[in-house]
Amino acid sequence: GNSVTQMEGPVTLSEEAFLTINCTYTATGYPSLFWYVQYPGEGLQLLLKATKADDKGSNKGFEATYRKETTSFHLEKGSVQVSDSAVYFCALSFLQKLVFGQGTRLTINP
Amino acid sequence: DTEVTQTPKHLVMGMTNKKSLKCEQHMGHRAMYWYKQKAKKPPELMFVYSYEKLSINESVPSRFSPECPNSSLLNLHLHALQPEDSALYLCASSQGAPATFFGQGTRLTVV
Repeated sequence: GNSVTQMEGPVTLSEEAFLTINCTYTATGYPSLFWYVQYPGEGLQLLLKATKADDKGSNKGFEATYRKETTSFHLEKGSVQVSDSAVYFCALSFLQKLVFGQGTRLTINP
Repeated sequence: DTEVTQTPKHLVMGMTNKKSLKCEQHMGHRAMYWYKQKAKKPPELMFVYSYEKLSINESVPSRFSPECPNSSLLNLHLHALQPEDSALYLCASSQGAPATFFGQGTRLTVV
């Protein structure tokens, strides 16, 4: 079946620290991969996406590379800000469905 | 305009009430979705409409009734809900694969 496994949270970092949130997937075929961010009390915002192997998605300083050989799509940012505090969801697209990981709550302290 | 608009933002309803959630998008997307999100969990798919026709129903109880009046609008009619149905209800839209855009959600409380 199709599934997404995300790094257990919560994650707490200091401002300007390096961020990695791990995401691995199991899928039949070649899904598209996504990172979504959810700020408190809000809906989900598409942060970045990659549609095929070796694609790198990037947005707002965040990056993730579609690694077929390790079935991974890890999220990285070189220097986090307090405003990056949110819940991050890794997801894959299969037919018309999005399959989400469990989410990782990120807190950035000043 | 990459916006999906949901109304109302908050809704409190009794178990005998009938209410509706509304969703609108003007991106020309032909697929629209309802998701349910419980606290500290990822969203769970409920329904998918493709070209205004229901294409996926994830075995959702009949007290939830979706409707797609046209390609820009999606409704979710609620009747005889239970307290455990309290959640954030998210509408989303997409044009084929792969990107899906979400609304801000309706936070529903059933009392």
